[in-house]
Amino acid sequence: EAGVAQSPRYKIIEKRQSVAFWCNPISGHATLYWYQQILGQGPKLLIQFQNNGVVDDSQLPKDRFSAERLKGVDSTLKIQPAKLEDSAVYLCASSAGTSGYEQYFGPGTRLTVT
Amino acid sequence: GQSLEQPSEVTAVEGAIVQINCTYQTSGFYGLSWYQQHDGGAPTFLSYNALDGLEETGRFSSFLSRSDSYGYLLLQELQMKDSASYFCAVRVYGGATNKLIFGTGTLLAVQP
Repeated sequence: EAGVAQSPRYKIIEKRQSVAFWCNPISGHATLYWYQQILGQGPKLLIQFQNNGVVDDSQLPKDRFSAERLKGVDSTLKIQPAKLEDSAVYLCASSAGTSGYEQYFGPGTRLTVT
Repeated sequence: GQSLEQPSEVTAVEGAIVQINCTYQTSGFYGLSWYQQHDGGAPTFLSYNALDGLEETGRFSSFLSRSDSYGYLLLQELQMKDSASYFCAVRVYGGATNKLIFGTGTLLAVQP
């Protein structure tokens, strides 16, 4: 089966600009996650969707980050405006059920904010 | 709050056995997952322990002691391709759902 797809793979923007990332999870996976991974750290959960509803966004900086999952499939994560500290890899993952202990990750988008 | 501790780096030689420890402090604990991430790659799932004891999957084993808030990943017959970062992640229940909280990772260097 096809894995989790993400685009773009790399993005360089200037601070205060906006950027959007796209994710297509594994077909049939109901749960979708967006993580931020700063160099040398573990992934940090930003937002979790169950089908097209948000079930956890407690660590999402809502003043600048937004995410949506229309029709319970693809998802987009947006940053507006970007700050230097947003430089990181943004990982999308999906899981079949709600237990979430086994997640399938996409290749990530490496964002550099200058 | 939630916290996980694992060593930042471990070095071992090819063919050896290495153990990566993980201690955690968390509420709503359900279980402990382990993920492998090669440099520049995506994290991939290795194992999960919900109950105390040892789970074996090929060359990899994972152990959990809920009473000690402790787990470890055991890698046997090390190969060069095992050089990667290894993350423990606690599965917790919070509010409406389960989620994973990842540790900071252990960088394993396998030497010939």
